[in-house]
Amino acid sequence: GAGVSQSPRYKVAKRGQDVALRCDPISGHVSLFWYQQALGQGPEFLTYFQNEAQLDKSGLPSDRFFAERPEGSVSTLKIQRTQQEDSAVYLCASSLTGTGSYEQYFGPGTRLTVT
Amino acid sequence: QKEVEQNSGPLSVPEGAIASLNCTYSDRGSQSFFWYRQYSGKSPELIMSIYSNGDKEDGRFTAQLNKASQYVSLLIRDSQPSDSATYLCAVDQNKFYFGSGTKLNVKP
Repeated sequence: GAGVSQSPRYKVAKRGQDVALRCDPISGHVSLFWYQQALGQGPEFLTYFQNEAQLDKSGLPSDRFFAERPEGSVSTLKIQRTQQEDSAVYLCASSLTGTGSYEQYFGPGTRLTVT
Repeated sequence: QKEVEQNSGPLSVPEGAIASLNCTYSDRGSQSFFWYRQYSGKSPELIMSIYSNGDKEDGRFTAQLNKASQYVSLLIRDSQPSDSATYLCAVDQNKFYFGSGTKLNVKP
């Protein structure tokens, strides 16, 4: 079946612009996760949804970052007033159920470059 | 101390050899452990999960878990050049924590 999809794959934003990154999880997957990956580092947790409920947003680096999953399927990560330090790959993952005791499957990522 | 530690490498092995990748973690209560492979410019791809002490084998891959030592490893037998990638260890400590990855080079 179809895997996790993300769009856009690449995004260039001028500093101060707002951006919205979309994630479409594997059909039927209850849990959805957002990660930020800097070059040469492992993914870092940003936030987690179980269905439409955002159960953990402790990894969001500032109040400029906001995520939603209003109908329990597609999720959007929004970054307001982008800064250069926001440049990274943003990865979305989904899992069938649970809070991490089940395998997570990643989308291709969105590479954000802030100029 | 980081939650999950990996040697960044690079680890170089000849084709056909066994590659051994290691990972330590900080939370003794962790229950779930995962190995991901990430090719350059691509997203992480799940290789294996392990939940119980001991070994778990899947094809050329064997994951080993020792909770008492807070240590998890991945062995790749008969390494192939196509195995050259960065290998990420992930540990569920109420949320997924990833190591920074070990870069593996398999030389033909």
